[in-house]
Amino acid sequence: NAGVTQTPKFRILKIGQSMTLQCTQDMNHNYMYWYRQDPGMGLKLIYYSVGAGITDKGEVPNGYNVSRSTTEDFPLRLELAAPSQTSVYFCASSYLGNTIYFGEGSWLTVV
Amino acid sequence: GNSVTQMEGPVTLSEEAFLTINCTYTATGYPSLFWYVQYPGEGLQLLLKATKADDKGSNKGFEATYRKETTSFHLEKGSVQVSDSAVYFCAPFTGNQFYFGTGTSLTVIP
Repeated sequence: NAGVTQTPKFRILKIGQSMTLQCTQDMNHNYMYWYRQDPGMGLKLIYYSVGAGITDKGEVPNGYNVSRSTTEDFPLRLELAAPSQTSVYFCASSYLGNTIYFGEGSWLTVV
Repeated sequence: GNSVTQMEGPVTLSEEAFLTINCTYTATGYPSLFWYVQYPGEGLQLLLKATKADDKGSNKGFEATYRKETTSFHLEKGSVQVSDSAVYFCAPFTGNQFYFGTGTSLTVIP
C-alpha cells in the first residue's frame, strides 16, 4: 500500500534555484494538498486541489506553483528559492474531506 | 472565517497521568472534526475523528466528543504512556480544506 508518495525526501537548494517536489497518490482521492511546516510550528496550507484541472491557493501560496493534470499527481514548483522557503513540505490527499493521508515529508533547505 | 485554536504546549506529564488537550474552532457550516498525531520525524497520521454533533471519536485510549454548542473537540486520555509522546493537531474540515491547529507537543516521562 503506497498511499501518498513524495520525493525527494531531502534537498538543499541555493538561493534563486528552482525545483519541483513530486507527489503521487494511488488511492484515487480527489482532494490533494500541499502544506509546509516550519520548525516547532503547525501546518500552513500552500495550495490544494479538489480534482484534476482544478487548483486553489491556500494560506501561503507566494513563491510556489502547482498543477493537477491527473488525479494521481500534484507537483509543487518552487521558483527562485529563498531562505524563507526552508521548511518541511507535506503532500496529502483525501476523498471528499474524509480522512486526510499524508506523505512522509520533504525536508528542504535553501542556502 | 474558519479557524482553530489549540491549547498551547509543550505539555509534560508523568506516565499514567490524565491528559486533556483543548481545541475550539470557528467554522461556517457543519465541519467534520479530526485529531492527528505526529511522531518525531514522521508525517501526520489520523488519531480519531467525528462527523456530527455528540459523536465521540476514539482510538488507542484517546477520546474526543464533537460539541457543537461550544464548538469544541477536546482530546482526552485517562492514562498516558511514554509512547504517546508526540505532537497533536486538531483539524476541522470545512469548505474543501482542513484547518490545522498549531499543534500541542506532549512529552510523557516515566
